[in-house]
Amino acid sequence: GAVVSQHPSWVICKSGTSVKIECRSLDFQATTMFWYRQFPKQSLMLMATSNEGSKATYEQGVEKDKFLINHASLTLSTLTVTSAHPEDSSFYICSARVGQGSPLHFGNGTRLTVT
Amino acid sequence: QKEVEQDPGPLSVPEGAIVSLNCTYSNSAFQYFMWYRQYSRKGPELLMYTYSSGNKEDGRFTAQVDKSSKYISLFIRDSQPSDSATYLCAIVHGSSNTGKLIFGQGTTLQVKP
Repeated sequence: GAVVSQHPSWVICKSGTSVKIECRSLDFQATTMFWYRQFPKQSLMLMATSNEGSKATYEQGVEKDKFLINHASLTLSTLTVTSAHPEDSSFYICSARVGQGSPLHFGNGTRLTVT
Repeated sequence: QKEVEQDPGPLSVPEGAIVSLNCTYSNSAFQYFMWYRQYSRKGPELLMYTYSSGNKEDGRFTAQVDKSSKYISLFIRDSQPSDSATYLCAIVHGSSNTGKLIFGQGTTLQVKP
């Protein structure tokens, strides 16, 4: 149980285009999902908390207009990287939990390369 | 001072060895502790989850929490080459209802056959 699916697993896009990443909780409902970013050989950094039916909460230093988050249902959150630039190239990972007090379960990540 | 400190390694051991991975934390309010394993180009996989001092065992893995010293450990017995990965400790602030995790830097482990 507690499977989190992320799609696509990798994507290459041209500078200036937008990319959408989907995160789904397959066997449970998640009112809250979390988006992380990871650079090579570094740990995960929380970007934002996605709340079903309301606005996402962004961590300090994360541009909300650049990283658009939508959590339209209890099983789906999307992250859209708008007007992507090479410095946005990274590994993006979403996570969710079954309920309060439960540990987070992670998707398999999306490797974004902006050329 | 970082809220969570973890020795980044890398750590290289022979197959069958006992591995000890460690993290320290600064805030005594932290109450929930997790260990994740991350293979290259994959998302983190939950290994252990605990919220009390003492030991918790699951197969070859033992998680140990010492709240008085603000120290957590993960022990791997009879290590296998398939255990080669990066191991991340993660902590949730006890008063947080959002589930926001604070990660250690990760320790890269290589188990040589």
